[in-house]
Amino acid sequence: AQTVTQSQPEMSVQEAETVTLSCTYDTSENNYYLFWYKQPPSRQMILVIRQEAYKQQNATENRFSVNFQKAAKSFSLKISDSQLGDTAMYFCAFMKGSGNTGKLIFGQGTTLQVKP
Amino acid sequence: GAVVSQHPSRVICKSGTSVKIECRSLDFQATTMFWYRQFPKQSLMLMATSNEGSKATYEQGVEKDKFLINHASLTLSTLTVTSAHPEDSSFYICSARDPQRGLNTEAFFGQGTRLTVV
Repeated sequence: AQTVTQSQPEMSVQEAETVTLSCTYDTSENNYYLFWYKQPPSRQMILVIRQEAYKQQNATENRFSVNFQKAAKSFSLKISDSQLGDTAMYFCAFMKGSGNTGKLIFGQGTTLQVKP
Repeated sequence: GAVVSQHPSRVICKSGTSVKIECRSLDFQATTMFWYRQFPKQSLMLMATSNEGSKATYEQGVEKDKFLINHASLTLSTLTVTSAHPEDSSFYICSARDPQRGLNTEAFFGQGTRLTVV
């Protein structure tokens, strides 16, 4: 069975600085998808970034980028120039299955506090 | 992005009663929807996969008779918590993908429903 592990329950960063959130996963599949979702205090889940396992190039979305190490089964999220609005709980997720029926398996989450 | 709407956002019910939560895809059709449960400051745990026109697929350990799922149309899935008890109090979230955006794309989430059983 697939598992996703986030070993940092809580982290904090000063505004404008950079922070990296860790995520490891375990799977025997070769093709899969990885995601980082953000859940702010409103509790609305928002997609931050997405990575296809078959792509070697790390995904980037503005201030957000990932370090995808397939062999090590590691998928960390780097947030550059942190903003107060980045304060949220961040979940790493693995997509099991494919197409519209693919299930998301979430890690335990990391609560990030951006300090002014 | 695609919109998934969940209703109600908050509900308080008495122990022993049933409560229904609706999940709607507003601008796309979803043959599959997912229901999650989340305890405070914890992860989302998948409860079941809702399939339009057929029975839901429940995850191991989820009571089918307590958490009834109906996916009667391509835009609506409902979760009914039957004979609710205080331990059922939680945050329930639904999600769906827009098939028009292609396979293996992001899942869109509803706003969630906070259920409190008193």
